[in-house]
Amino acid sequence: GENVEQHPSTLSVQEGDSAVIKCTYSDSASNYFPWYKQELGKRPQLIIDIRSNVGEKKDQRIAVTLNKTAKHFSLHITETQPEDSAVYFCAASIIQGGKSTFGDGTTLTVKP
Amino acid sequence: DAGVTQSPTHLIKTRGQQVTLRCSPISGHKSVSWYQQVLGQGPQFIFQYYEKEERGRGNFPDRFSARQFPNYSSELNVNALLLGDSALYLCASSYTGLDTQYFGPGTRLTVL
Repeated sequence: GENVEQHPSTLSVQEGDSAVIKCTYSDSASNYFPWYKQELGKRPQLIIDIRSNVGEKKDQRIAVTLNKTAKHFSLHITETQPEDSAVYFCAASIIQGGKSTFGDGTTLTVKP
Repeated sequence: DAGVTQSPTHLIKTRGQQVTLRCSPISGHKSVSWYQQVLGQGPQFIFQYYEKEERGRGNFPDRFSARQFPNYSSELNVNALLLGDSALYLCASSYTGLDTQYFGPGTRLTVL
């Protein structure tokens, strides 16, 4: 089955700096890669997603890149703000909305 | 619009007992998925239902079962509870099961 590895497990940055979180996946059939933000005690919320026919997608300060050949994808957050502090999860699935395999999460702390 | 709702919010059970968790999808959504999130890890896929039919099952023992009702709400049942079943149980809904999933707030299950 699919296996998703996420790095780093914790990341601390100064406000205004950029943050990068990386994930690798094992199943070459995976085609859909969402990223979720989960604040303490709250539900995971989709922040951005990418499909395998696209190499990069951007939404304001957030961008995701995908390298299908290498089977890895990354989340980039620019101009970080304290409210970006949360746990971020990557996931992979063969179809959007289908069985998703999640990474173990990255705890991002943005220091004011 | 109301989001995905789950009940109860918290639950405490003892080993060997049985538990039923409930999920109401967003209005119009016909697919529900269940995930288990152990503290410090990413969500793990348990089941997906679409139009009352099981569409996918994760690597969980037969003690875990689920069903979806004609109104698209869903129940997750866990029998013979073990200490290791302590986790946050998340429900996610989508229109068809092939589009974006939206998570509920989860049910925190503690097994003593």
